[in-house]
Amino acid sequence: EVQLVQSGAEVKKPGESLRISCKGSGYSFTSYWISWVRQMPGKGLEWMGRIDPSDSYTNYSPSFQGHVTISADKSISTAYLQWSSLKASDTAMYYCARQGYCSGGSCYSLGYWGQGTLVTVSS
Amino acid sequence: SYELTQPPSVSVSPGQTARITCSGDALPKQYAYWYQQKPGQAPVLVIYKDSERPSGIPERFSGSSSGTTVTLTISGVQAEDEADYYCLSADSSGTYGVFGGGTKLTVL
Repeated sequence: EVQLVQSGAEVKKPGESLRISCKGSGYSFTSYWISWVRQMPGKGLEWMGRIDPSDSYTNYSPSFQGHVTISADKSISTAYLQWSSLKASDTAMYYCARQGYCSGGSCYSLGYWGQGTLVTVSS
Repeated sequence: SYELTQPPSVSVSPGQTARITCSGDALPKQYAYWYQQKPGQAPVLVIYKDSERPSGIPERFSGSSSGTTVTLTISGVQAEDEADYYCLSADSSGTYGVFGGGTKLTVL
């Protein structure tokens, strides 16, 4: 069974750094890209970026380029989303999602989702 | 940057057909994917590659594409279909993904 298990909720202060994780299991971790999706409170889904775990190649949305970093450690089947300096506007639910029903760079089919990580940034 | 446009809301009575559109200039070149999200839950893929239905998704869900618009159709809407629906596609070069703003489907 394919599973994506995300790290737990975080409460941080503005200016702090943070890394959240997404551990894949039940499949070959390097065979499918993982995307990160933001959902601010009461708002819609936003595609942030993605990574090919086989070689750590990344794509970012122009809206998020330079604000977050996506990485992966294939030895432990885990993808990461990190911030170097959080802002209150980063308060949101963050989902990781794996490709499903297709694979490779042209595939944006997110067939499997993590449970989400709630990040709260407040002074 | 690239944008996909969806109507904010669609309302239908049970048993009727709901159609949710998504418009974007790159849609003739890039596939669209549709996601259903219910309150407090992670999204679920309901249509991939414009018109393909994942296993386990009811047959009443279908997708189509025409020019710069893709459409999610739910035939014989049921109360359980009340949710937010999002389209996702890529920019013209396929470099990054974009979600539409989402459509709230209300079953009257």
